Amino acid sequence: DAGVTQSPTHLIKTRGQHVTLRCSPISGHKSVSWYQQVLGQGPQFIFQYYEKEERGRGNFPDRFSARQFPNYSSELNVNALLLGDSALYLCASRETGGFSPLHFGNGTRLTVT
Amino acid sequence: AQSVTQLDSHVSVSEGTPVLLRCNYSSSYSPSLFWYVQHPNKGLQLLLKYTSAATLVKGINGFEAEFKKSETSFHLTKPSAHMSDAAEYFCVVSEGGSTLGRLYFGRGTQLTVWP
Repeated sequence: DAGVTQSPTHLIKTRGQHVTLRCSPISGHKSVSWYQQVLGQGPQFIFQYYEKEERGRGNFPDRFSARQFPNYSSELNVNALLLGDSALYLCASRETGGFSPLHFGNGTRLTVT
Repeated sequence: AQSVTQLDSHVSVSEGTPVLLRCNYSSSYSPSLFWYVQHPNKGLQLLLKYTSAATLVKGINGFEAEFKKSETSFHLTKPSAHMSDAAEYFCVVSEGGSTLGRLYFGRGTQLTVWP
């Protein structure tokens, strides 16, 4: 079975621009989460979506937004990019119910210049 | 509130010697605890998870961890290190239930394995 897939793998943007990152969860997984991993730190929670509804949001500004589509894929959007947004953005999906763990994709490396 | 402290930012061992990566957690609820590994330019891979069953948890690649509530610890061990174990390791805590998708990561421990 295919794992969590993210696109693109690498991206270079200029300050002030907008970016869209995409994620396809493992087949059958209805919950998708987004994490930001700055170099040298552990991932930080950004959003969780389940059944196309936002179920949790981390401590990130309103420049960050996301959505989940009927096929359970997801997009993360970041407006007015800052240098500090440079990071690895990780998408994860999980089965619902029980204590099923998150399965992560390989991430999108965003560089803001 | 949930939080995780990884007590060592770097650990170096020789191949064939034991590995110990230390983690302390703080949780307002009965926690679910995980260890994830991240190889360079890769995503995170689940090593093992604790969800209030047996306190000694066995994971993949010979790793195991012991949940000690009295010490609020969840240390990761392996009897004999292999070169392929060199990676970044993250201790992770989560509340159970509907917030399980939200994980709190430690800062990570970089494991170096010398030949």
